[in-house]
Amino acid sequence: NAGVTQTPKFQVLKTGQSMTLQCAQDMNHEYMSWYRQDPGMGLRLIHYSVGAGITDQGEVPNGYNVSRSTTEDFPLRLLSAAPSQTSVYFCASSITSGDTYEQYFGPGTRLTVT
Amino acid sequence: GENVEQHPSTLSVQEGDSAVIKCTYSDSASNYFPWYKQELGKRPQLIIDIRSNVGEKKDQRIAVTLNKTAKHFSLHITETQPEDSAVYFCAASSSGSARQLTFGSGTQLTVLP
Repeated sequence: NAGVTQTPKFQVLKTGQSMTLQCAQDMNHEYMSWYRQDPGMGLRLIHYSVGAGITDQGEVPNGYNVSRSTTEDFPLRLLSAAPSQTSVYFCASSITSGDTYEQYFGPGTRLTVT
Repeated sequence: GENVEQHPSTLSVQEGDSAVIKCTYSDSASNYFPWYKQELGKRPQLIIDIRSNVGEKKDQRIAVTLNKTAKHFSLHITETQPEDSAVYFCAASSSGSARQLTFGSGTQLTVLP
């Protein structure tokens, strides 16, 4: 059971380039989400999904797209990278079962846009 | 939308002393309040959570209290140890679960030996 995995761990992009951050979970969780973490600002929700085929915007969705074709995978796409998107990105998944509400985070992707 | 404020931003305590971190939230519909610990370069990990129908919850040296009337909740760590040094985040959600969390800005806790 690998939990939540993310690739790549590090990435450097030039302004205007596009890329996809990968996220996968093997816990059969219906809920998945993407956060960005900037110094002194905690984690901010970018997009989330309550199940395959269903996605919605979080607090800071501009500049990012997502899709959820399977329960396991939830990729985050940057269409035209900007320096303001330099951040650490965390994917997370969770399930609500009884009294269990825990959200499991992936190891993160550190993205630098120059 | 929800706004969560967290204080203090940094906290230093002597080993063995207690540490208290406080958060306030704005949305009266919020009903789930987790706390996460994040060590340097690592992912956030849940350490304790509380639902709005409970006023206090304890797990060994960690406790969380919730005051719904005042819309604030606090993390209490007793008998602190050097391994408690980390950044702690509070969060709130109106979903009743760990969905659509709004996070505070974090508290850097340093436990001095």
